[in-house]
Amino acid sequence: VQLVQSGAEVKKPGESLKISCKASGFSFTDYWIGWVRQMPGKGLEWMGIIYPGDSNTRYSPSFQGQVTISADKSISTAYLQWSSLKASDTAMFYCVRQPTVTTNVDYWGQGTLVTVSS
Amino acid sequence: QSVLTQPPSVSGAPGQRVTISCTGSSSNIGAGYTVHWYQQLPGTAPKLLIYGDNNRPSGVPDRFSGSISGTSASLAITGLQAEDEADYYCQSYDSSLSEVLFGGGTKLTVL
Repeated sequence: VQLVQSGAEVKKPGESLKISCKASGFSFTDYWIGWVRQMPGKGLEWMGIIYPGDSNTRYSPSFQGQVTISADKSISTAYLQWSSLKASDTAMFYCVRQPTVTTNVDYWGQGTLVTVSS
Repeated sequence: QSVLTQPPSVSGAPGQRVTISCTGSSSNIGAGYTVHWYQQLPGTAPKLLIYGDNNRPSGVPDRFSGSISGTSASLAITGLQAEDEADYYCQSYDSSLSEVLFGGGTKLTVL
């Protein structure tokens, strides 16, 4: 099982961004793929999750409306996107796999560092 | 303030036993949603340490164990080693918030 994320990004406030998570070694449509934020020096925050099999998507209330989670099952890739970045979006973002929404994360991606600065 | 509350830091000498608590409520741990623990070494992605309250994934030493009591969970580490120095996070699901929760994290220092 591997979750390989796209590389680090440096963006300006107001810009848009889409980061990716390429899955391999398992059936992409049989698991939930989520995103976890870790701001500099801070803890883990669960952002939301998608089931690529039917595109069922759930968001943490804290992130609803702030980001969009999507997936392309034809290429086993999940995405996290912003339409207008803020400096406070600066963080490490981890792609994760969960067997169900209520259970544990069993695999983590390596992380994508997003830096938003003018 | 996280809904799952962990102490910010704990410490212990090599060979000692330490515990890290994770206090929840009736809508998460107390509702029967299982608790999982992760270890995050500096500069790396978190790693699953305990799942389903008290199960260890393959490769995790039996020095690590989990337990549940009411609305709280605990991670115990026995025979403390220098390599255990890391941040530890608990995780569960909350039915009222309809979201996955992480505790605020606990920094373990090996003296």
